[in-house]
Amino acid sequence: EVVLTQSPATLSLSPGETATLSCRTNQSIPMYFAWYQQKPGQAPRLLIYSASNRATGIPPRFSGSGSGADFTLTISSLEPEDFAVYYCQQGSTWPPITFGQGTRLEIK
Amino acid sequence: QVQMVQSGAEVKKPGASVKVSCKASGYTFSAYYIYWVRQAPGQGLEWMGWINPNSGDTDYAQNFKGRVTMTRDTSIKTAHMELTSLTSDDTAVYYCAREKRTGGLRLLSLDFWGQGTLVTVSS
Repeated sequence: EVVLTQSPATLSLSPGETATLSCRTNQSIPMYFAWYQQKPGQAPRLLIYSASNRATGIPPRFSGSGSGADFTLTISSLEPEDFAVYYCQQGSTWPPITFGQGTRLEIK
Repeated sequence: QVQMVQSGAEVKKPGASVKVSCKASGYTFSAYYIYWVRQAPGQGLEWMGWINPNSGDTDYAQNFKGRVTMTRDTSIKTAHMELTSLTSDDTAVYYCAREKRTGGLRLLSLDFWGQGTLVTVSS
């Protein structure tokens, strides 16, 4: 099973700052890697697929990078609506599809 | 527009079964895999399995094999997930979600989600 470890668990930043979220895997992931945003009481929303492609309607301040076993989600110029929980997910080695444990982005 | 609309909240006793429905609209139902993902209160996301609506083929997470059954009814564009032998550990929000594709390529990420169905298991 591919284990995804997200860091930090909680990130405290102010609007306008840049958030850098990390997701490391215990084995190399060739291709199928995604990031999601989840707000309280809502379903997750796809932000990034295939490691670096923004999903439809996602603003350009969200960017994904990385390869192998080390992936990053960067959110530039944080907006108030960006404070949420973020999950990474891999689909390259299955079953199972696996998710990270989440990073909570909170307002400082 | 693509929508995934799930059935309503359920309260079940330990040992019972629950069946959650997910009605899809706005796209060709048979062309996209549907996943089921659950989230226990205050916890992260857990993949339960998927179904290919075209063939009915399924793949289940090991944690749920023997307890979960995923089916679909293409005539009404609806997927179902049944979970048996419920315990309090099964209390969670259950989501269906559509797998993203581009052209004929599966991308194994989830681009449209249902609103979630809360299943509470309590005696």
